[in-house]
Amino acid sequence: DVKVTQSSRYLVKRTGEKVFLECVQDMDHENMFWYRQDPGLGLRLIYFSYDVKMKEKGDIPEGYSVSREKKERFSLILESASTNQTSMYLCASSLLGLASDTQYFGPGTRLTVL
Amino acid sequence: GDSVTQMEGPVTLSEEAFLTINCTYTATGYPSLFWYVQYPGEGLQLLLKATKADDKGSNKGFEATYRKETTSFHLEKGSVQVSDSAVYFCALSESTGRRALTFGSGTRLQVQP
Repeated sequence: DVKVTQSSRYLVKRTGEKVFLECVQDMDHENMFWYRQDPGLGLRLIYFSYDVKMKEKGDIPEGYSVSREKKERFSLILESASTNQTSMYLCASSLLGLASDTQYFGPGTRLTVL
Repeated sequence: GDSVTQMEGPVTLSEEAFLTINCTYTATGYPSLFWYVQYPGEGLQLLLKATKADDKGSNKGFEATYRKETTSFHLEKGSVQVSDSAVYFCALSESTGRRALTFGSGTRLQVQP
């Protein structure tokens, strides 16, 4: 089975802190994604990566950056956390990036910024 | 741009009732369509998918048919169980361009014994 793990289930940070959210997949998938989940809004794409060191902006990249130095690991960085970044963050991966590919999700990190 | 619209919840049903969750989409190409489910405290997992018009996806008693003429992908189950209580997300992935999913807002289903 594909396994996508995220470094923390719950995280509490203060405004202005730099925050790192880590995601690791164990199935040699090419593509990795970061989504943000908010009530009534579904999931919105922050960034995605289709290869090591490659990244593309999603729909809501402002205030975020990403890093993919190794194929299995995709990190989301909040350079200076703000209260409006309090949310559930979900990482996902897929094998080839075809439209029909299944995306496999991690359990999520619930981030609270005080 | 692409978008997915699904019925607002919560949907509350009694066990063994029939379930329909409506989903319609807007896309420029020929997308693949998905239903994902999120059980309490967990991440999303694929429930079913369909990759071309008239395809029917099915899994665990759930079904959805890709209707290009009505741009719809409604989720149905003939007899729901308490264990089906979850949030259900309809999503699409375009055949060209970026490789990410576009999600609907989610529908919470609560099944009562």
